[in-house]
Amino acid sequence: EVQLVESGGGLVQPGGSLRLSCAASGFTFSDNYMDWVRQAPGKGLEWVGRIENKASSYTTEYAASVKGRFTISRDDSKNSLYLQMNSLKIEDTAVYYCAKDGGSSGWFDWGQGTLVTVSS
Amino acid sequence: DVVMTQSPLSLPVTLGQPASISCRSSQGLVHSNGNTYLNWFHQRPGQSPRRLIYKVSNRDSGVPDRFSGSGSGTDFTLKISRVEAEDVGVYYCMQGTHWPWTFGQGTKVEIK
Repeated sequence: EVQLVESGGGLVQPGGSLRLSCAASGFTFSDNYMDWVRQAPGKGLEWVGRIENKASSYTTEYAASVKGRFTISRDDSKNSLYLQMNSLKIEDTAVYYCAKDGGSSGWFDWGQGTLVTVSS
Repeated sequence: DVVMTQSPLSLPVTLGQPASISCRSSQGLVHSNGNTYLNWFHQRPGQSPRRLIYKVSNRDSGVPDRFSGSGSGTDFTLKISRVEAEDVGVYYCMQGTHWPWTFGQGTKVEIK
């Protein structure tokens, strides 16, 4: 059974940084692309970014809203995905979900999410 | 970016009755490989999203057959043949044809 468990959320001031983690199990993590998707309180879903696998040179892609501020990385030896968030803005407040990439068909497997609150 | 527009945004339904959600895209969703990557997700209150349907009409494993997807080009529909209490929540369409992938605003389904 695929399990994705996010951690690292919390309260941070505008301009601050936070690093989210996602622990994966139940599948061959290193073979898979992985994504982050977020949801602001009471709002819809927004794709944040993706990291490809080693065979695809760990290529990353980001939404325009976070490009240059957020960095996705992975440690295949630890079956872990990361989201480094810098220069955080109030509008980055959201639940951040880790998801196993299903290509253009979206995501079948999701974590439970971790809440990031950006506020002074 | 491709804009996905859902309607209605709120859908009160009676148990046992059908329901239908429309999703329209600002560009056609036929990929260069011939596939149409229009997917549907359901999110119950307080839960993570769950994919219901991928590539317009393919139900995911465990999804009841009362859910069906249809459409082509820029116009797509999710139908529930007979709404059950567990179907409440928000439904999102999502396109995976054009980068970046984008979602509709969501349609909230509630029981009358």
